[in-house]
Amino acid sequence: DIQLTQSPSSLSASVGDRVTITCRASQSISSYLNWYQQKPGRAPKLLINAASSLHSGVPSRFTGSGSGTDFTLTISSLQPEDFATYFCQQSYNIPWTFGQGTKVDIK
Amino acid sequence: QVQLVQSGAEVKKPGSSVKVSCTASGDTFSRFTIAWVRQAPGQGLEWMGRIVPIFNSTNYAQKFQGRVTITADRSTSTAYMELSSLRSEDTALYFCARGAGTPYYFDSWGQGALITVSS
Repeated sequence: DIQLTQSPSSLSASVGDRVTITCRASQSISSYLNWYQQKPGRAPKLLINAASSLHSGVPSRFTGSGSGTDFTLTISSLQPEDFATYFCQQSYNIPWTFGQGTKVDIK
Repeated sequence: QVQLVQSGAEVKKPGSSVKVSCTASGDTFSRFTIAWVRQAPGQGLEWMGRIVPIFNSTNYAQKFQGRVTITADRSTSTAYMELSSLRSEDTALYFCARGAGTPYYFDSWGQGALITVSS
């Protein structure tokens, strides 16, 4: 199975900060990497698919980059509604797997 | 955009089975894949398996092989996930999600069904 390791596991930030989350795969997954945002008790929401493609309706302050084994999700200017947990997920091989998550909370 | 509506919360005894439904509307059910993902309290997301309704083909995570069965009824646009031999560690929020695109991504999710396993 492909393992995805996110870092950091949690971070504290302020509104307006630039935030970067990384996701490292245990083997090359080309660009088969998606990012989701989840708030407590809610279903995840798709932010980025295919490593860098912004999903419809997602604000442009979210960007994704990377290929192969190293990927990044960047929030250019953190907004109050962005405090949540973020997960990466690979669809290169079944079983599709998720990273362990990165919790972004208020400093 | 497809909407996915799941069945409600359930409390089950250890050793029993649970069957969760996921009904789709707003798009052609057979054209896409339905995956099941669970989340234990305070934990991350865990992919359990998927079905492609048009082919009735399934794939399961090794961890759940032999305990999980995913089916689909195209006439009602409903997918089902049945998990047997329940234990306390199966207490979790169970989501269905539509897998779309190439490569796959999950662009629509059900609201989740809380399954509690307790004696």
